[in-house]
Amino acid sequence: AQSVTQPDIHITVSEGASLELRCNYSYGATPYLFWYVQSPGQGLQLLLKYFSGDTLVQGIKGFEAEFKRSQSSFNLRKPSVHWSDAAEYFCAVGAQGNNDMRFGAGTRLTVKP
Amino acid sequence: ETGVTQTPRHLVMGMTNKKSLKCEQHLGHNAMYWYKQSAKKPLELMFVYSLEERVENNSVPSRFSPECPNSSHLFLHLHTLQPEDSALYLCASSQGLRVRTDTQYFGPGTRLTVL
Repeated sequence: AQSVTQPDIHITVSEGASLELRCNYSYGATPYLFWYVQSPGQGLQLLLKYFSGDTLVQGIKGFEAEFKRSQSSFNLRKPSVHWSDAAEYFCAVGAQGNNDMRFGAGTRLTVKP
Repeated sequence: ETGVTQTPRHLVMGMTNKKSLKCEQHLGHNAMYWYKQSAKKPLELMFVYSLEERVENNSVPSRFSPECPNSSHLFLHLHTLQPEDSALYLCASSQGLRVRTDTQYFGPGTRLTVL
């Protein structure tokens, strides 16, 4: 079965600084990869997803992620973080043929003024 | 109301109580899900329904009993819970079950505390 690891439990960045959140996956075939964001008191919202094709994926709110098969990674990036980006971020991997997504444990992002 | 709604937002119950969580989706979707979100742990998929039929049950204890009376509503009936069942319970829905095309939309969750 597929699995996801998010190595960083908590990251703090200054407002305006760049951001990279790490995600490593394990899956034997080409994975379906997702990043979700969860703001306090809210459900998860899809930021972006990768299925095939261009390995650099653009999402909402200025986020992007790059699929690197050789590193089994799908890191999330943003060039300039805003205070409203403070939230918990979840990487997920899905398998072909079903809707069973496996989520990582999440990375909490704190944004310093 | 739009999207996926969940009630109640917060619930405190004793181990001998019986309570139910409710989820409603206003998106016209055919599939609904229950997830458990515990602190510092990955989301755990509990149940999946498609067109009111249960299609997945991931070894969830019988003290959790789902019900899907129609494609818009999903319930999670709780009885004889344990303190370790305290968590955020998230409901989600999607058009279908194809992970490639059927994005899951999540509700805000019910924060459950078992005393």
